[in-house]
Amino acid sequence: AQKVTQAQTEISVVEKEDVTLDCVYETRDTTYYLFWYKQPPSGELVFLIRRNSFDEQNEISGRYSWNFQKSTSSFNFTITASQVVDSAVYFCALSEAVRRDDKIIFGKGTRLHILP
Amino acid sequence: KAGVTQTPRYLIKTRGQQVTLSCSPISGHRSVSWYQQTPGQGLQFLFEYFSETQRNKGNFPGRFSGRQFSNSRSEMNVSTLELGDSALYLCASSNTRARGEQYFGPGTRLTVT
Repeated sequence: AQKVTQAQTEISVVEKEDVTLDCVYETRDTTYYLFWYKQPPSGELVFLIRRNSFDEQNEISGRYSWNFQKSTSSFNFTITASQVVDSAVYFCALSEAVRRDDKIIFGKGTRLHILP
Repeated sequence: KAGVTQTPRYLIKTRGQQVTLSCSPISGHRSVSWYQQTPGQGLQFLFEYFSETQRNKGNFPGRFSGRQFSNSRSEMNVSTLELGDSALYLCASSNTRARGEQYFGPGTRLTVT
């Protein structure tokens, strides 16, 4: 069965600090996709990144970076020099590539507070 | 390109009533998924439609149903509303060439009293 665990329910950091959001996943498939979504206070989920299981290269996009490690089934997300606008709920998610449909399993989310 | 739109944004219903929520996907997107979001259960998959066919359904009772039209617009219906159905209902559309990369609407906040 597939499962996504985000052990950190809520995190608070002071602005400009770096923060890492953890994500651990379970799947029996060898081919799958991992995602991160952001849900700001407005409520609309925003797609941040997709990574397929064959691409373990870390990715950096501005202040955001992602560390994918198949050996530990983790896909962690780091925000460098955090800003108040980064305050949101962040969801890690998984989709199995063998599926014909587009079902995504989400973790419970991590609520991130960036304090000014 | 216009984003995913959902109507209505807010809805208040009483127990026992039924409700229909609407979702218009991004132009060109043929897959539409629905999710229920509650503080306790998080984001839970309801169902996904592609080309007017339901491809998958989550673990929800039969009171939850949906459909998709030929223009890819989708509706979901909840009959015999219960207090526990109060939630944010999110619709997402995707281009199947970008597997799993879903674009979400602002959601419909349903309150059942």
